[in-house]
Amino acid sequence: QLVESGGGLVNPGGSLRLSCEASGFAFNDYCMAWIRQAPGKGLEWISYIGSGGNTIYYADSVKGRFTISRDNAKNTLYLQMNSLGVEDTAVYYCAKDREEWELLHWFDPWGRGTRVIVSS
Amino acid sequence: QSVLTQPPSASGTPGQRVVISCSGGSSNIGRNIVNWYQQLPGTAPKLLIYSYDQRPSGVPDRFSGSRSGTSASLAISGLQSEDEADYYCAAWDDSLTGWVFGGGTKLTVL
Repeated sequence: QLVESGGGLVNPGGSLRLSCEASGFAFNDYCMAWIRQAPGKGLEWISYIGSGGNTIYYADSVKGRFTISRDNAKNTLYLQMNSLGVEDTAVYYCAKDREEWELLHWFDPWGRGTRVIVSS
Repeated sequence: QSVLTQPPSASGTPGQRVVISCSGGSSNIGRNIVNWYQQLPGTAPKLLIYSYDQRPSGVPDRFSGSRSGTSASLAISGLQSEDEADYYCAAWDDSLTGWVFGGGTKLTVL
């Protein structure tokens, strides 16, 4: 199970930190991802982190502004979001990927999401 | 503009078979697996098909996936009203070093 939190209303240029608390599986064995969905739009992958936190990827749309991290002792995934713009308004989902040594990857399950609104 | 191209909408009547296409390129579908996700209205996405044609436990065998070259397809047979949802394809893109999704297909059961 994955439960996101930390969303809310923030001014353009502001910052927000999202959290995703995991339970029911060995969190430290699995890669994790953040995916977002703007209102009325499709899914957009934004970041991936390996099980140990050493392998990290970002979508170009958030590179340099967002930072993904994890605390395996707390079974929690994070997304630090800085320099937020109106285009970052979306529901943010965290998703469990597979173990890092696996060759094939997919997202299962997904959390319910947390809503971020960037507006003045 | 999504890297993977899906038709924005599809429809069918109960019992019919519907196919949703997903077109990509050599850096994504051409060399990496395709996964499909189903998003029922007002809910989070759910894994529907992984590794082109594999169904997670609990997914009915009415759902099937396939790939040919740089395209993939999701077929739904024996269409039911509860299949009304948005469907997304996804693949890893070696050139972008990231996951890419299709724009999504809204399936309507008439």
